[in-house]
Amino acid sequence: KAGVTQTPRYLIKTRGQQVTLSCSPISGHRSVSWYQQTPGQGLQFLFEYFSETQRNKGNFPGRFSGRQFSNSRSEMNVSTLELGDSALYLCASSLGTSGTTDTQYFGPGTRLTVL
Amino acid sequence: GENVEQHPSTLSVQEGDSAVIKCTYSDSASNYFPWYKQELGKGPQLIIDIRSNVGEKKDQRIAVTLNKTAKHFSLHITETQPEDSAVYFCAASGELGFGNEKLTFGTGTRLTIIP
Repeated sequence: KAGVTQTPRYLIKTRGQQVTLSCSPISGHRSVSWYQQTPGQGLQFLFEYFSETQRNKGNFPGRFSGRQFSNSRSEMNVSTLELGDSALYLCASSLGTSGTTDTQYFGPGTRLTVL
Repeated sequence: GENVEQHPSTLSVQEGDSAVIKCTYSDSASNYFPWYKQELGKGPQLIIDIRSNVGEKKDQRIAVTLNKTAKHFSLHITETQPEDSAVYFCAASGELGFGNEKLTFGTGTRLTIIP
């Protein structure tokens, strides 16, 4: 089975621009979660989507948004980029259908650099 | 919300020796505890996980123990090898109940195996 894929792998943007990152989950997985990883804050949960609906949300400003399509693929968008948004953005997929937290599998991440 | 503390932040062990990494969590409702290994330039890779109805789980050289009363869990790696060198993260989840895929991560432990 193919793993979680993320595109692009690397991205350079300037302050004020917006960016869209893409994630394709493992086949059969319906839940997609997004995390931000920085040296200072570590791994932080952004949001989770299941069946095209946002099911959980972390403590990030409204500039961070996402969506999920009917084939479970997900995108996240960051508008009005700030220098502090430079990070590795990780996507994780899971079945999302059990009565508790399912095992999550991570993609390789998208390295975003904001200049 | 949940808070996960991880110690130590760095750990160096001789090849062949054992390594132990410890984590504590704050929310007694958490019931799922995965461990991830992250190598340079890659996303976190699940190495072992444990649920609250189990006190210990082992997979070859890797074991995890959970003490729900004390709210801490530990990763044990025996017979360490150079390829075990990486950053290890613990995480906790489940406090929000059904359909919660939000993981709260520890700050990571950089493990170095000395040949």
